[in-house]
Amino acid sequence: GAGVSQTPSNKVTEKGKYVELRCDPISGHTALYWYRQSLGQGPEFLIYFQGTGAADDSGLPNDRFFAVRPEGSVSTLKIQRTERGDSAVYLCASSLLSRATDTQYFGPGTRLTVL
Amino acid sequence: GENVEQHPSTLSVQEGDSAVIKCTYSDSASNYFPWYKQELGKRPQLIIDIRSNVGEKKDQRIAVTLNKTAKHFSLHITETQPEDSAVYFCAVDNTDKLIFGTGTRLQVFP
Repeated sequence: GAGVSQTPSNKVTEKGKYVELRCDPISGHTALYWYRQSLGQGPEFLIYFQGTGAADDSGLPNDRFFAVRPEGSVSTLKIQRTERGDSAVYLCASSLLSRATDTQYFGPGTRLTVL
Repeated sequence: GENVEQHPSTLSVQEGDSAVIKCTYSDSASNYFPWYKQELGKRPQLIIDIRSNVGEKKDQRIAVTLNKTAKHFSLHITETQPEDSAVYFCAVDNTDKLIFGTGTRLQVFP
């Protein structure tokens, strides 16, 4: 079946602009995760959704970052007033059950470049 | 919070040799230890995982061993092939999320 998809694959923006990154999880997966991966590093946790609610947003770096999942499926990560330090690959993952011990399937990521 | 250390950062082997990557973690409450393979520009893909109720798991040329007492686990790849070349990440569950290691770049030379 279809895996996790993310759009856009690449996003170039200017410092101070607003961006939205979209994630389509595997159909039927209740848990959805956002990670950020900087060059040469492992994925870094940002936020976790269990259904429609954000169960853990402790990884969001500051209040410029916000994510929603209004119908328990598609999720959007929103970044306001982007900064050059926000440049990274933003990865989305989903799992069937809502626990970290369930296999997480990753999307291809969105490469964000802030000029 | 959980701290995951991964070694080595780079590993070069000759085709057919074995490769071993090690990770240590700090939280004794962790119970799930997956390994992901990430090729250049691609998504991380799960290659094997182990849960705390077993000490070893094998899938063809790939195996993972876990020592919960010492809080470390290792990935073993035997009979390496050029297509095994990639970055490998270990991860550990922490409450409701995964904490990843910093990655090991494996190069397999023909």
